[in-house]
Amino acid sequence: EIVMTQSPATLSVSPGKRATLSCRASQSVGTSLAWYQQRPGQAPRLLIYTATTRATGIPARFSGSGSGTEFTLTISSLQSEDSALYHCQHYHTWPLTFGGGTRVDI
Amino acid sequence: QLEESGGGLVKPGGSLRLSCAASGFTFSDSYMGWIRQAPGKGLEWISYIGSGGRFMDYTDSVKGRFTISRDNAENSLFLQMNSLRVEDTAVYYCVKAEAGKIGGVWGPGTLVTVSS
Repeated sequence: EIVMTQSPATLSVSPGKRATLSCRASQSVGTSLAWYQQRPGQAPRLLIYTATTRATGIPARFSGSGSGTEFTLTISSLQSEDSALYHCQHYHTWPLTFGGGTRVDI
Repeated sequence: QLEESGGGLVKPGGSLRLSCAASGFTFSDSYMGWIRQAPGKGLEWISYIGSGGRFMDYTDSVKGRFTISRDNAENSLFLQMNSLRVEDTAVYYCVKAEAGKIGGVWGPGTLVTVSS
């Protein structure tokens, strides 16, 4: 099983600033990596897939990068509605696994 | 859209069947899955099923106890959960699995509580 590790666990950022979230895989997953946003009390929603491709309707301030074992989600110019828990997930092989999440507080 | 139902309180060792009603997309062409989230914990993808219902798999923690199935005529996905354990307590999400592996569309979730 591929273990996904996210850091930091919590990130406090001021409105308008940039947030950088990290996700590391225990072995290479190529670019088979997705990011999700989960606002309080809601189901997750897909932000990014294939490590860098924004899902439909996702604002351009969200961007993904990386390949292999190291990935980054960058949120530029943070807005209040970006306060949420962010999850990364690999889909290289079964079982598909998620990281523990990074909470972004604004 | 996806809408789960069937969650609730059950005793350890008991059974529960979750349902998910799908609308707004061609269900019969779509891979589907179940993902759960224990209270205050991360996400766990526990099962997926292919569009025709022939291909499926489970994570080790539920293998042999849970069964995923679908009814394409009724646009419905199911999860039969047997021999439930306290550690199965979680919100269970039904997802449309893009490329069979990405949670593209999520339901609001249904809470399953296993407690004596």
